[in-house]
Amino acid sequence: DTAVSQTPKYLVTQMGNDKSIKCEQNLGHDTMYWYKQDSKKFLKIMFSYNNKELIINETVPNRFSPKSPDKAHLNLHINSLELGDSAVYFCASSPGLEVTGELFFGEGSRLTVL
Amino acid sequence: GQNIDQPTEMTATEGAIVQINCTYQTSGFNGLFWYQQHAGEAPTFLSYNVLDGLEEKGRFSSFLSRSKGYSYLLLKELQMKDSASYLCAGMDSNYQLIWGAGTKLIIKP
Repeated sequence: DTAVSQTPKYLVTQMGNDKSIKCEQNLGHDTMYWYKQDSKKFLKIMFSYNNKELIINETVPNRFSPKSPDKAHLNLHINSLELGDSAVYFCASSPGLEVTGELFFGEGSRLTVL
Repeated sequence: GQNIDQPTEMTATEGAIVQINCTYQTSGFNGLFWYQQHAGEAPTFLSYNVLDGLEEKGRFSSFLSRSKGYSYLLLKELQMKDSASYLCAGMDSNYQLIWGAGTKLIIKP
């Protein structure tokens, strides 16, 4: 069983469309994250949730809206996609907010906006 | 501001030793992480240092000096499969991870 799974793995879409990426973790962790990794390979935190509650909301456009129906799921919805949104989006989880060990990453979702 | 610096790319020979350096500036400090990321894959955890000194884990060791804001990852007996990017990340006082851009390590036979 994959610890952190996200779907889809690849997503190709046109500018202006709306798309969602789903993430689920079966580790019983309280905290989940969305990261964006662009072509320069920087991992940038976008959002973090702790027990379904939004903790970190970095300066991302409000076209990006996370939703956490329960603490095992954190989905990312993107409205009105732009070319600059093309990147790999990683979901991750940790036991709690105070990360002192491993952060568990999903396999990534590669989004290409044409 | 908060910042993580590491070299963009390094090349080493199979069987040799390589040291990847990282300097960090964070608002407060709650530890330093190293992750390995193969092309097209997710980052995987290698090490976590919060106290000064060297932590050894098989062929990989990680060192931390808090007074110097400096860490390194040491890889011994390099294998071709070690070709990957190595990401350094510092944790600030809010337990937020600040990531470097990664060092791409190329291993040559």
